[in-house]
Amino acid sequence: NAGVTQTPKFQVLKTGQSMTLQCAQDMNHNSMYWYRQDPGMGLRLIYYSASEGTTDKGEVPNGYNVSRLNKREFSLRLESAAPSQTSVYFCASSTHQETQYFGPGTRLLVL
Amino acid sequence: GESVGLHLPTLSVQEGDNSIINCAYSNSASDYFIWYKQESGKGPQFIIDIRSNMDKRQGQRVTVLLNKTVKHLSLQIAATQPGDSAVYFCADYTGGFKTIFGAGTRLFVKA
Repeated sequence: NAGVTQTPKFQVLKTGQSMTLQCAQDMNHNSMYWYRQDPGMGLRLIYYSASEGTTDKGEVPNGYNVSRLNKREFSLRLESAAPSQTSVYFCASSTHQETQYFGPGTRLLVL
Repeated sequence: GESVGLHLPTLSVQEGDNSIINCAYSNSASDYFIWYKQESGKGPQFIIDIRSNMDKRQGQRVTVLLNKTVKHLSLQIAATQPGDSAVYFCADYTGGFKTIFGAGTRLFVKA
C-alpha cells in the first residue's frame, strides 16, 4: 500500500496563477482532508470530505476549492494564487474521524 | 478559542537518554489525543493516542501521560535514538471532523 500520495512535491507559482494539488489514498478511507502548515503554527484545516460526494469548509477555506473525485481522490484548487498561500499542504485520510494518515506534502511558493 | 500548545519549541537530548515532550490543551471536554512525529520533508506520522478515560498508555519505547486536572499531556521516549530526531506535536480531537494541532517541538538527538 502506498498510503496517501500527493502531487506535485514542489511548485512555484506567480501571483494570480492557478493550480490543482492532487491527493489519492489506497486505504479505502471514507474521509479525506486538506491542511496547510505554516512555520510556528499547527496544521490548519482548509477543507474536508466526510465521504464520497460531500465536502465542507474547515478553518481557513478562503481562496481554495476542493473536489472529491471518487473515494480515492481529493483535489485542492487555488484559482488565483496569492503570496499568503505560500505554505506546505498536506492531504490526510481517515476511517474514523480521530486518527488521520498524512501524505508527504506539497511545498508551494507563490511569488 | 480552543488551543493546543507545546511548552518548548526545541528539545536537545543525548542519545540513550529519555525524552519528555509536553503539551497543554484548553478544551476540558476533549476526549481523544494523538501524538504525531514529523521528520524533515515528510508528512506527520501517527505515534500513539490516548483517550480521556485513561491516564497512561504505552507503546514501543513511547509512553503518553494524560493529566486531565491540569489539561496536560506528555510524550516520553525511552532510550532516545538519532532516528527519533523530528518535530513532535500533539493533537486534540474535539469531535466531528475537527482536530486541533499544536505547533510542535523539535527534538534534537546528540550522538
